[in-house]
Amino acid sequence: ELKVEQNPLFLSMQEGKNYTIYCNYSTTSDRLYWYRQDPGKSLESLFVLLSNGAVKQEGRLMASLDTKARLSTLHITAAVHDLSATYFCAVDFSGGGADGLTFGKGTHLIIQP
Amino acid sequence: KAGVTQTPRYLIKTRGQQVTLSCSPISGHRSVSWYQQTPGQGLQFLFEYFSETQRNKGNFPGRFSGRQFSNSRSEMNVSTLELGDSALYLCASRANFFETQYFGPGTRLLVL
Repeated sequence: ELKVEQNPLFLSMQEGKNYTIYCNYSTTSDRLYWYRQDPGKSLESLFVLLSNGAVKQEGRLMASLDTKARLSTLHITAAVHDLSATYFCAVDFSGGGADGLTFGKGTHLIIQP
Repeated sequence: KAGVTQTPRYLIKTRGQQVTLSCSPISGHRSVSWYQQTPGQGLQFLFEYFSETQRNKGNFPGRFSGRQFSNSRSEMNVSTLELGDSALYLCASRANFFETQYFGPGTRLLVL
């Protein structure tokens, strides 16, 4: 079965702190995507990771992919309130998306002042 | 460049009715995918269209169908609506199979 597991599912943290969201997936893939969703809104693309060892950074967010461990991480550095949202990782198991993306359940992140 | 647009944004239907949702992709994008988002099941792939052809379909009953037109616009149809079809339906487009998918604002469907 194709599975994508994120943890934690809920995270409350203080501004200025660092934290990491983990995304494990069940079988081989080298295509992984991170999205952000604000309440009542659609999904915003954050990162596209297309090879083992890929690392992408945008502002306070950094994503990496280890295809051998079937693991991606989304690291938050010095969190600010504006980063409060739900973060999803999604995996393309079909190498071209013919079967769509398989999403994790999302990590609901609350950053408190 | 304009983003992905979906209409209508909100819809209320009753059980047994049918509904058609529309999606216009980003200009130049030929791939359109549909996803269902519910609190219980999360985000689930419905189907993807490319050049008017359905590439694949997720694990949904035949009541869910779609099509794509020559201008890449896509429609999704759900017949004989059930309460469990209440969800946010998201459409996404991309330029090729290796790029990220860009999502529209969604259509929120409530079935009473």
